[in-house]
Amino acid sequence: SQQGEEDPQALSIQEGENATMNCSYKTSINNLQWYRQNSGRGLVHLILIRSNEREKHSGRLRVTLDTSKKSSSLLITASRAADTASYFCATGLNSGGSNYKLTFGKGTLLTVNP
Amino acid sequence: GAVVSQHPSRVICKSGTSVKIECRSLDFQATTMFWYRQFPKQSLMLMATSNEGSKATYEQGVEKDKFLINHASLTLSTLTVTSAHPEDSSFYICSARARGTGNTGELFFGEGSRLTVL
Repeated sequence: SQQGEEDPQALSIQEGENATMNCSYKTSINNLQWYRQNSGRGLVHLILIRSNEREKHSGRLRVTLDTSKKSSSLLITASRAADTASYFCATGLNSGGSNYKLTFGKGTLLTVNP
Repeated sequence: GAVVSQHPSRVICKSGTSVKIECRSLDFQATTMFWYRQFPKQSLMLMATSNEGSKATYEQGVEKDKFLINHASLTLSTLTVTSAHPEDSSFYICSARARGTGNTGELFFGEGSRLTVL
């Protein structure tokens, strides 16, 4: 079953604006990751935030994690047309031994209009 | 960053034939590789987890005899879709976890393989 649920499902903004995507999950996690996927391509890892972290930055990306609410947000500042892609959150959970799984949400399709 | 190569990127086959997809870690050793399936505009669904030298662990609902996974070396895993049918048409993506990164952390993804079964 799907762990992460992103909202909104689709987001359309103008270049230069900020884009915020949210992710909620249901069970405990070791970490939460955000990935980007251009249409028909593989996934590119953006950022990983561990369960004991609350906020992380990487360039124009800012990720927050609230384990009490089981939610995370991805903020892309000063968006560019090249940021147009689908963004997925994924929850990582090690259930013992080498049993580590990454479970993906349904994704947010971000369109940045020039 | 680490590179994962998938081949072929696109394959079209006739119903009833078998198709093999390769996933290679090019510049690192992958102790674990994961195979996902993605339908159009949908999320990635984990199909199976394969550890080098051992049998793959399949997710519930995934037929192990239909989707054969082999992870014979630390740099190569293969997914074979046997007796493919049109409903097997999908985007298949592999990912790999690098040796020494522990049991949690970043996975490196291939570019995906689009299978179309006629």
